[in-house]
Amino acid sequence: GESVGLHLPTLSVQEGDNSIINCAYSNSASDYFIWYKQESGKGPQFIIDIRSNMDKRQGQRVTVLLNKTVKHLSLQIAATQPGDSAVYFCAEAFSGGYNKLIFGAGTRLAVHP
Amino acid sequence: DAGVIQSPRHEVTEMGQEVTLRCKPISGHNSLFWYRQTMMRGLELLIYFNNNVPIDDSGMPEDRFSAKMPNASFSTLKIQPSEPRDSAVYFCASTDREGYSNQPQHFGDGTRLSIL
Repeated sequence: GESVGLHLPTLSVQEGDNSIINCAYSNSASDYFIWYKQESGKGPQFIIDIRSNMDKRQGQRVTVLLNKTVKHLSLQIAATQPGDSAVYFCAEAFSGGYNKLIFGAGTRLAVHP
Repeated sequence: DAGVIQSPRHEVTEMGQEVTLRCKPISGHNSLFWYRQTMMRGLELLIYFNNNVPIDDSGMPEDRFSAKMPNASFSTLKIQPSEPRDSAVYFCASTDREGYSNQPQHFGDGTRLSIL
């Protein structure tokens, strides 16, 4: 499910399955990472964030994994529900800056009953 | 708590007209961002304010675009004159930034702008 170019990749899953959305970030100096969910007609909604001194962080039904060696971030959603259908964006930032987020192109998650 | 509030939600106008988009950030937040989202370019940062002062406007496309933040609870993004290529969804986001610590930005539901 990595975002490539202008085409929005789609991850299709069955309701109840676990989903994994991947993201490759670009700046090795980035030390703050965040996942957003965007539903049609709405703004990006904060899901979970992680700082570079951690490699895993868990929320409610979501887990973010960070691999700084290969500059890779993933979002795991447990027991995926139809309401999880949306576009998911990862973003990176460098704390020496001003909280400027650099967004990936996004991955569309489609949950089928 | 009220989130970031943007108005109008939709705007359709003719090329050459002035367009003003409005944003009310979350109360107590000291940082405000304007973004533009298109299918071709994704989410792009246009301008960033901290404590009502513009800090980075390097993303503003050209002189036709201007943004102001007269006080901590209100910001505007103006396009004059508007062009069809300005058609996009414009988002405002705010956060409470302390020093160099990054915090999540919270987004409004955007203004969908169509320039005919």
